[in-house]
Amino acid sequence: QKEVEQNSGPLSVPEGAIASLNCTYSDRGSQSFFWYRQYSGKSPELIMSIYSNGDKEDGRFTAQLNKASQYVSLLIRDSQPSDSATYLCAVLNQGGKLIFGQGTELSVKP
Amino acid sequence: DAGVTQSPTHLIKTRGQQVTLRCSPKSGHDTVSWYQQALGQGPQFIFQYYEEEERQRGNFPDRFSGHQFPNYSSELNVNALLLGDSALYLCASSLGLRGVNSPLHFGNGTRLTVT
Repeated sequence: QKEVEQNSGPLSVPEGAIASLNCTYSDRGSQSFFWYRQYSGKSPELIMSIYSNGDKEDGRFTAQLNKASQYVSLLIRDSQPSDSATYLCAVLNQGGKLIFGQGTELSVKP
Repeated sequence: DAGVTQSPTHLIKTRGQQVTLRCSPKSGHDTVSWYQQALGQGPQFIFQYYEEEERQRGNFPDRFSGHQFPNYSSELNVNALLLGDSALYLCASSLGLRGVNSPLHFGNGTRLTVT
């Protein structure tokens, strides 16, 4: 079992729709969770961080964390073509290592 | 506010050679982590440096080594290059060892091609 798992996609949504990206992790002692966006050929860019159960909203982005289910998600409302990228879930495990999932490729169609 | 800078941006090496990649952290950051990202994969953790010492290490062979200097900059060295070492090498900086409330900030990476 991988330490952080994501569906690789691609996930295709029409412009204006809600995109839902999911991530599960295996280290139950993990405390910090992050979503990074990576455009093709570029480096990852932090878009959201979440540390406690529940929802955290930032503009069109909402991160959701459920530690009991070891599940993190990212919702993107009113998706735009410029949101087309690979989204990486990252989990800071008990050992202090930031572990990434394989990423989910999102495509927003005009 | 200078971000994370990496050099060189691209590098082509021959199998068996050695390579050194360099990284300067974001201003105010003292911890440097290195990741390897193969095409179509997420970044894989190589190691982390804090106070000039390797503090964490991922599942990479001893061919991968590093160093952190007093000014917090860092080098990644890879010996006896293999074709499979071809990847994007990412340097990321943060403040403090655990990084609980200090997310990683990435540089633009070094694209290494081994032929």
